[in-house]
Amino acid sequence: EVQLVQSGAEVKRPGATVKISCKVSGYTFTTFYIHWVKQAPGKGLEWMGLVDPEHGKTIYTENFKDRLTLTADRSTDTAYMELRGLRSEDTAFYYCAPLRSGALATWGQGTLVTVSS
Amino acid sequence: QSVLIQPPSASGTPGQRVAISCSGASSNIGSNTVTWYRQLPGTAPKLLIYANNKRPSGVPDRFSGSKSGTSASLAISGLHSDDEAVYYCAGWDDSLNAWLFGGGTKLSVL
Repeated sequence: EVQLVQSGAEVKRPGATVKISCKVSGYTFTTFYIHWVKQAPGKGLEWMGLVDPEHGKTIYTENFKDRLTLTADRSTDTAYMELRGLRSEDTAFYYCAPLRSGALATWGQGTLVTVSS
Repeated sequence: QSVLIQPPSASGTPGQRVAISCSGASSNIGSNTVTWYRQLPGTAPKLLIYANNKRPSGVPDRFSGSKSGTSASLAISGLHSDDEAVYYCAGWDDSLNAWLFGGGTKLSVL
């Protein structure tokens, strides 16, 4: 069974950096790109970017490309999302999901990041 | 505003059939497959439809997807009260080199 387990909730000050982990099990980690999605309170889903766990290649959406780093650790089957220069509008749930058969079929449980002074 | 356009809301009565549209462009829906997700409050999205019209194991056949040109549609038949949720279409855009989500449609079962 494919499972993605994300790290716990974070509270950060404006300007800080957050790094969220996404531990994968149930399939070969390097097989599928891992996507990251943001959902602010009461808002829709916003795609942030993806990482290729096999080669480390990344694609970032324009909105986040200057502050976002996505990585993948093949030794621990874990993907990471690091967001720098946090601001209040970064308060959101963040989800990881592998792209399988052209779809985000399984999602992590989500990690709530709260940015507050 | 999202590149994939969905109506913000839809409604139906129990047992009825409802359809939710998703309008895109040649660079996204027109050239790539469409997926649909359902999200209940406080939970992660769940895949309903992939490859335009395929259902993952465990998704009832009350849910169906279709695509024509640069538009796609999700149909739900035999509405249940627990179908109340937000539904999102999504897919890849070749021009933006990005995955896109529609703005979401909140379905109410009256």
